[in-house]
Amino acid sequence: DVKVTQSSRYLVKRTGEKVFLECVQDMDHENMFWYRQDPGLGLRLIYFSYDVKMKEKGDIPEGYSVSREKKERFSLILESASTNQTSMYLCASIPGQGASGANVLTFGAGSRLTVL
Amino acid sequence: DQQVKQNSPSLSVQEGRISILNCDYTNSMFDYFLWYKKYPAEGPTFLISISSIKDKNEDGRFTVFLNKSAKHLSLHIVPSQPGDSAVYFCAASALPNYGQNFVFGPGTRLSVLP
Repeated sequence: DVKVTQSSRYLVKRTGEKVFLECVQDMDHENMFWYRQDPGLGLRLIYFSYDVKMKEKGDIPEGYSVSREKKERFSLILESASTNQTSMYLCASIPGQGASGANVLTFGAGSRLTVL
Repeated sequence: DQQVKQNSPSLSVQEGRISILNCDYTNSMFDYFLWYKKYPAEGPTFLISISSIKDKNEDGRFTVFLNKSAKHLSLHIVPSQPGDSAVYFCAASALPNYGQNFVFGPGTRLSVLP
């Protein structure tokens, strides 16, 4: 089974702090994603990466950055956390085109961030 | 403007009855649709998908129906079980999709009452 692991399930941070959210997948997927989930808004794409050291902005990248130094690891960084970044953050991965399961995102369990 | 809409934020159904969750989309380029289920404090898990070449796809108790002309899809759960209580997200994309262009609806919270 594909496994996407988000190391921090619950975090509480103060406004202005730097926040790192880590995500690791163990199935050699090319593509990785960060979403945030807010009530009534569904899942919104923050950033994605289709290869090591490559990144692309999603729909709501403002206030976030990402890092992908290794294929299996994709990090989301909040340089200076703000209260409107309080949310559930979901990491996901998907294999490259042509691979089995290429059209289904597999999600991690989520990281609930509260910014005070 | 939301491209994928789930107009019912919540739905309550009696155990054993049918649950019908609806999803509407506006982008006629969408040709691949998925349903995900999400329990509290867990990530969404894939449930069932359908591509636009079909109008129905079944997997056990779960059936998804697609009406392309109406830009509408629905998820039927028969019979509903208390363990089905979760938030259900509809997602749409245009193939080929490398995962970056899935558009998710806001979700419908299903409660199955014993």
